[in-house]
Amino acid sequence: DAGVIQSPRHEVTEMGQEVTLRCKPISGHDYLFWYRQTMMRGLELLIYFNNNVPIDDSGMPEDRFSAKMPNASFSTLKIQPSEPRDSAVYFCASSFRAGWPNSPLHFGNGTRLTVT
Amino acid sequence: GQQVMQIPQYQHVQEGEDFTTYCNSSTTLSNIQWYKQRPGGHPVFLIQLVKSGEVKKQKRLTFQFGEAKKNSSLHITATQTTDVGTYFCGNAGGTSYGKLTFGQGTILTVHP
Repeated sequence: DAGVIQSPRHEVTEMGQEVTLRCKPISGHDYLFWYRQTMMRGLELLIYFNNNVPIDDSGMPEDRFSAKMPNASFSTLKIQPSEPRDSAVYFCASSFRAGWPNSPLHFGNGTRLTVT
Repeated sequence: GQQVMQIPQYQHVQEGEDFTTYCNSSTTLSNIQWYKQRPGGHPVFLIQLVKSGEVKKQKRLTFQFGEAKKNSSLHITATQTTDVGTYFCGNAGGTSYGKLTFGQGTILTVHP
């Protein structure tokens, strides 16, 4: 199993540019999560999907952020326009609900975003 | 998931010393998950506790869930340099599975 795959690993962009982060969950997992990690705020849950449907997006900072999951094997997190305060590590994670309560989250390696 | 507070924020120990991090909530938790994140890495699942008073061990790591299910702890006996990293506790939504929220984490450094 290749695990959760995120791309790119690093992204450096200028303020105002659009940024798209990508995630491929583990095959067969029915939940997908997007987290943001900073020193100040720790690991924040932004949004999560179940069977490709967004369930809770209350953690999405503002309208500049959007996430989609067009199919079971792909999700994107888009920031438009990006701002320096969006600089963080963005993690995607997936899990398998039917394994609950012993189904942990499997995290990808993350995307380190720097907005200058 | 309910809000969980984690203490301490940082812990520096000499190799061989013990280490404990605590996870506290003002409300009853349905469960607790513990994760470890190595420097530059991603969180990796360690264990889940579900039952009141539950104690689980993984080699030198001991995990406890309080009787009232409002707190949890992770204790490492005789730390090693490989234990370096950030330890997170997280609470998932119980019957409303999905919304796993994390505490701020405890950053552990181990001096050889």
